[in-house]
Amino acid sequence: KQEVTQIPAALSVPEGENLVLNCSFTDSAIYNLQWFRQDPGKGLTSLLLIQSSQREQTSGRLNASLDKSSGRSTLYIAASQPGDSATYLCAVAGGTSYGKLTFGQGTILTVHP
Amino acid sequence: GAVVSQHPSWVICKSGTSVKIECRSLDFQATTMFWYRQFPKQSLMLMATSNEGSKATYEQGVEKDKFLINHASLTLSTLTVTSAHPEDSSFYICSARNPRYFYEQYFGPGTRLTVT
Repeated sequence: KQEVTQIPAALSVPEGENLVLNCSFTDSAIYNLQWFRQDPGKGLTSLLLIQSSQREQTSGRLNASLDKSSGRSTLYIAASQPGDSATYLCAVAGGTSYGKLTFGQGTILTVHP
Repeated sequence: GAVVSQHPSWVICKSGTSVKIECRSLDFQATTMFWYRQFPKQSLMLMATSNEGSKATYEQGVEKDKFLINHASLTLSTLTVTSAHPEDSSFYICSARNPRYFYEQYFGPGTRLTVT
């Protein structure tokens, strides 16, 4: 059974800092990995999707990497802003295109001015 | 990105009544949709996989007779909570898988259900 772990559980940083969120998973037979953002009381916004054959994806100030063999992914946020404050969730899809998503517990990020 | 809507965004109902939640993919056809449940300060728990034109597949421990799922078209899935009880109060989120882009999942804004 796939298990996804995110570290740290919470992170508080001053505005402008670069930061890294970590995600690890136990079964390397994944189809893809997604990073999401969730604001309080809201649904999920997809940030980045990395296919199992890819090593990284970038969107603006966000960069996500994937090391499937070691079961790890990182989300790098450059020049953090107060608007980045949210819960960040990592989810892996099973080994086929029909794979279900397994979520980590999330990292609560607070960026203070 | 793709848009998935949910209706209603919040609902309050009395214990014993049934509540229907709709999930729509607005700009792509989704043969597969998913229903999740999220308790406060916790991550998402997959309840069931909704397949267009066939029966839903429920995760272990989810009562299929209590949480009725219908996926009658390629853009609409519904979740009906039958005979609701206060312990069913939760945040319900649906997602739709986009087959045109590596099966990326797009999530709806969620429905807050409160059973009194």
